[in-house]
Amino acid sequence: SAVISQKPSRDICQRGTSLTIQCQVDSQVTMMFWYRQQPGQSLTLIATANQGSEATYESGFVIDKFPISRPNLTFSTLTVSNMSPEDSSIYLCSVKGLTANTGELFFGEGSRLTVL
Amino acid sequence: LAKTTQPISMDSYEGQEVNITCSHNNIATNDYITWYQQFPSQGPRFIIQGYKTKVTNEVASLFIPADRKSSTLSLPRVSLSDTAVYYCLVVGGYGQNFVFGPGTRLSVLP
Repeated sequence: SAVISQKPSRDICQRGTSLTIQCQVDSQVTMMFWYRQQPGQSLTLIATANQGSEATYESGFVIDKFPISRPNLTFSTLTVSNMSPEDSSIYLCSVKGLTANTGELFFGEGSRLTVL
Repeated sequence: LAKTTQPISMDSYEGQEVNITCSHNNIATNDYITWYQQFPSQGPRFIIQGYKTKVTNEVASLFIPADRKSSTLSLPRVSLSDTAVYYCLVVGGYGQNFVFGPGTRLSVLP
């Protein structure tokens, strides 16, 4: 298994500002994913962040808005830039663990952002 | 990328067996079927994974017919604490395409 810590757990931000979310994993992992989950909705994949390569963004998400860093195998950051109220959401970090299950991801508790 | 379809919501009573079916008509040969559970204010948690036939663990069973175009998650004797959203995912054989669909909101009633 993998234990994931996210910071901040929640924050209230002003429109136009940027916030960086940190994701720390207790073991080395290759594949890391960032998701967004709006209230009452499912998860939407923002990007895949593999160490040593540029993040791969899903349709509708761009690097200028959601820059991602992946400096090593245990850490990543997601920045939400120039925030608007529409960015109010829970942002979740997840990793592909070293288990026998191909489809097994481990998730952090999420970072709940409210943009005023 | 295989699209999945599940019921939006289901109700059950404590002690009953609950079966949630997911359709994935365009599943590829190398894809796996994976189910997650999510409680409010928590990240999703992996429940079970299968490729074909039947898989069982301490939490649930997963039934996959021979054509693999659907799968059924079976929760035996549910309790109130099983109230959650359950997601079916079709994941690529190399661990790619972790795309969540709308999920099924299960409510277990006393």
